[in-house]
Amino acid sequence: GENVEQHPSTLSVQEGDSAVIKCTYSDSASNYFPWYKQELGKRPQLIIDIRSNVGEKKDQRIAVTLNKTAKHFSLHITETQPEDSAVYFCAASLNEKLTFGTGTRLTIIP
Amino acid sequence: KAGVTQTPRYLIKTRGQQVTLSCSPISGHRSVSWYQQTPGQGLQFLFEYFSETQRNKGNFPGRFSGRQFSNSRSEMNVSTLELGDSALYLCASSPDASNEKLFFGSGTQLSVL
Repeated sequence: GENVEQHPSTLSVQEGDSAVIKCTYSDSASNYFPWYKQELGKRPQLIIDIRSNVGEKKDQRIAVTLNKTAKHFSLHITETQPEDSAVYFCAASLNEKLTFGTGTRLTIIP
Repeated sequence: KAGVTQTPRYLIKTRGQQVTLSCSPISGHRSVSWYQQTPGQGLQFLFEYFSETQRNKGNFPGRFSGRQFSNSRSEMNVSTLELGDSALYLCASSPDASNEKLFFGSGTQLSVL
């Protein structure tokens, strides 16, 4: 089955700086890669996703890049704000099954 | 549209007991997935149902089971509870068979004493 590794497990950045979270996947047949944000005490919510036929996707301050050859994808958050503090999960989809990474706790320092 | 509803919100059980958790998906969603969330382990996949059929199963022991009803509501059951089963159990529904975009419920926090 699919295996997704996520780094770092914790990340602290100064407000206004950029944050990058990286994930690798094991099965080259995986074709869909979403990112979920889980604020403290709340449910995970989809924030951005990318398909395997696209290299990059942006939505305001967040972007995701995908390198199929290396089997890794990354989440980029620019101009970070306090409300970006949360746990972020990457995932890879294979055969109607989403496999999640172990999460990154992002803390924005005011 | 109402979101994904999970009941109960909290459960306290003792070792050896069994427990049933319930999940009502968003209206019209036919796919329901279950995940176990523990600190440091992220979201571990339990199983996924589509139109009452289990399509995928994670690497959990047979004590963990589930089912889906004709109205897409789903239940998961854990028998012979162990201390290590303490976790947040999240249910998620998806609008189509691809099961790609998940809409999560608030979860059931299970504590095993």
